[in-house]
Amino acid sequence: QKEVEQNSGPLSVPEGAIASLNCTYSDRGSQSFFWYRQYSGKSPELIMFIYSNGDKEDGRFTAQLNKASQYVSLLIRDSQPSDSATYLCAVSGNTGKLIFGQGTTLQVKP
Amino acid sequence: DAGVTQSPTHLIKTRGQQVTLRCSPKSGHDTVSWYQQALGQGPQFIFQYYEEEERQRGNFPDRFSGHQFPNYSSELNVNALLLGDSALYLCASSFEGAYTGELFFGEGSRLTVL
Repeated sequence: QKEVEQNSGPLSVPEGAIASLNCTYSDRGSQSFFWYRQYSGKSPELIMFIYSNGDKEDGRFTAQLNKASQYVSLLIRDSQPSDSATYLCAVSGNTGKLIFGQGTTLQVKP
Repeated sequence: DAGVTQSPTHLIKTRGQQVTLRCSPKSGHDTVSWYQQALGQGPQFIFQYYEEEERQRGNFPDRFSGHQFPNYSSELNVNALLLGDSALYLCASSFEGAYTGELFFGEGSRLTVL
């Protein structure tokens, strides 16, 4: 079993729709959860992090964490073509080592 | 404020050769982590350096080694290159004293092994 699992996609949504990206993790000791966005040929950039159960909103982005189900999600509202990228879920304990999923490719069609 | 810088950006090597990749962390950061990202995969943790010591290591063979210098910059060395070592090598930096989990990534060094 992979430590962090994501559906590789591609996930295709029309412009203006809500994109829902999901991630599960295996280590119950994980403490911090991150969503990185990676454009083709570029390095990952952090867009959201969440530490506690529940929802965390930042602009058009909402991260959701359910530790009991070992599940993290990212919602992108009013999706734009510029949101088309690979979204990487990552988890860590308290040591700075991030474990990444393989990423989900999102395509937002005009 | 310079971000994380890596060099070289691209390089081509042949099997059996050795390669050294370099990284300068973001200003004020003292911890450097290295990741390998194969095509279509997420980054895989190689190791992390803090106070010039390897603090953590992922599941990579001893052919992968590193170093951190007093100015916090770092090198990744890979010996006896294999075709499977072809990947994007990412350096990420953070500040130990105020760690929030956020890593700042450089643009990477793309290694092709022929």
